[in-house]
Amino acid sequence: SQQGEEDPQALSIQEGENATMNCSYKTSINNLQWYRQNSGRGLVHLILIRSNEREKHSGRLRVTLDTSKKSSSLLITASRAADTASYFCATDPDSWGKLQFGAGTQVVVTP
Amino acid sequence: GAVVSQHPSRVICKSGTSVKIECRSLDFQATTMFWYRQFPKKSLMLMATSNEGSKATYEQGVEKDKFLINHASLTLSTLTVTSAHPEDSSFYICSARDYGQGTFGQFFGPGTRLTVL
Repeated sequence: SQQGEEDPQALSIQEGENATMNCSYKTSINNLQWYRQNSGRGLVHLILIRSNEREKHSGRLRVTLDTSKKSSSLLITASRAADTASYFCATDPDSWGKLQFGAGTQVVVTP
Repeated sequence: GAVVSQHPSRVICKSGTSVKIECRSLDFQATTMFWYRQFPKKSLMLMATSNEGSKATYEQGVEKDKFLINHASLTLSTLTVTSAHPEDSSFYICSARDYGQGTFGQFFGPGTRLTVL
């Protein structure tokens, strides 16, 4: 079953702008993960935030987690054309690795 | 980071035939692998958990006789789509968790595009 809902479904921005996407989930979690998928390819793990963390950074990525609202956001700063991809949040409710993915946000960054 | 490979990357077959997809962890051992299915412009849906040396566990609604999973070694899991039909056409992706890296993140294969004519 699909755990997370993401918005927006699609996002089109210009290089240098920031891209923000949100994810909501339904059940309690131990951690929430964000993945990136280039068209027709596998997924790349971007960042994991644990339930006791509120914010995490990795390079140009910033992830927040609000467990009271059951939501997370992913911010990509100073976007580049190479950031064009689909981004998915995923939860692992029982920490067994059975990921439940959100619907994804398709990001297009134009030069 | 850990690498997961899949073979083949793309396969086209006739309706009624069976197709085997391999998923390998190249530089780590994976006692557990996962198989996902993705429809165009959709999210990934977990199909089953592949357990080394034991039976796979399937998610609700996934036919185990249709999607046979074998995890014969610590680095290889196979998914066989039996008697494939056009509705089985999809993008199949496997993943594995490298516990040795002390992370809960998963490593995904590049996916296999199955087209059933």
